[in-house]
Amino acid sequence: DAGVIQSPRHEVTEMGQEVTLRCKPISGHDYLFWYRQTMMRGLELLIYFNNNVPIDDSGMPEDRFSAKMPNASFSTLKIQPSEPRDSAVYFCASSARGKETQYFGPGTRLLVL
Amino acid sequence: LAKTTQPISMDSYEGQEVNITCSHNNIATNDYITWYQQFPSQGPRFIIQGYKTKVTNEVASLFIPADRKSSTLSLPRVSLSDTAVYYCLVGLLRGSTLGRLYFGRGTQLTVWP
Repeated sequence: DAGVIQSPRHEVTEMGQEVTLRCKPISGHDYLFWYRQTMMRGLELLIYFNNNVPIDDSGMPEDRFSAKMPNASFSTLKIQPSEPRDSAVYFCASSARGKETQYFGPGTRLLVL
Repeated sequence: LAKTTQPISMDSYEGQEVNITCSHNNIATNDYITWYQQFPSQGPRFIIQGYKTKVTNEVASLFIPADRKSSTLSLPRVSLSDTAVYYCLVGLLRGSTLGRLYFGRGTQLTVWP
């Protein structure tokens, strides 16, 4: 298995632009997680899905952030409009049903100018 | 909801045993304790997981006292390549639903030659 795949690996955009991050979880995993990591706040859970259904989005910072999982093999995290304070590394992770071990992707490094 | 507290940083020398303690005073009955390791520019990687007493694998040991209000990750004979951030995670399982997960702030372990 290729592991969790994220794209793009790096994204540089200007304030106000829409940003879409993509994730392909490990095949057969029922859970998908989106995290954000910054120096100031560490690793924060934004939202997670179970069988494509959002379970807990209380970590999503504000309405500018949205996440979808249209099928078991694809998820997106969208920021619209983006702001400089959104600059961070965004990780996607997946895990199998009933197992707590999460497998993380390589992350997307986002810089909003 | 169980949150965790761990030291911000630790230093060690090659060949020494390192013990990193995580406090989780509000851990619930069904919570598991999981430790992850993160190298720069990479996503966190699973190290070990346990529920009570002691768990050992080829990489580390995890000690959990009877009250489960803390846990200690033990790395035997560390090397320079063990320099990384270590996260303590307490997770709640409720049947088929994975409850809210909390990463600790992470402990930066630096191993010196």
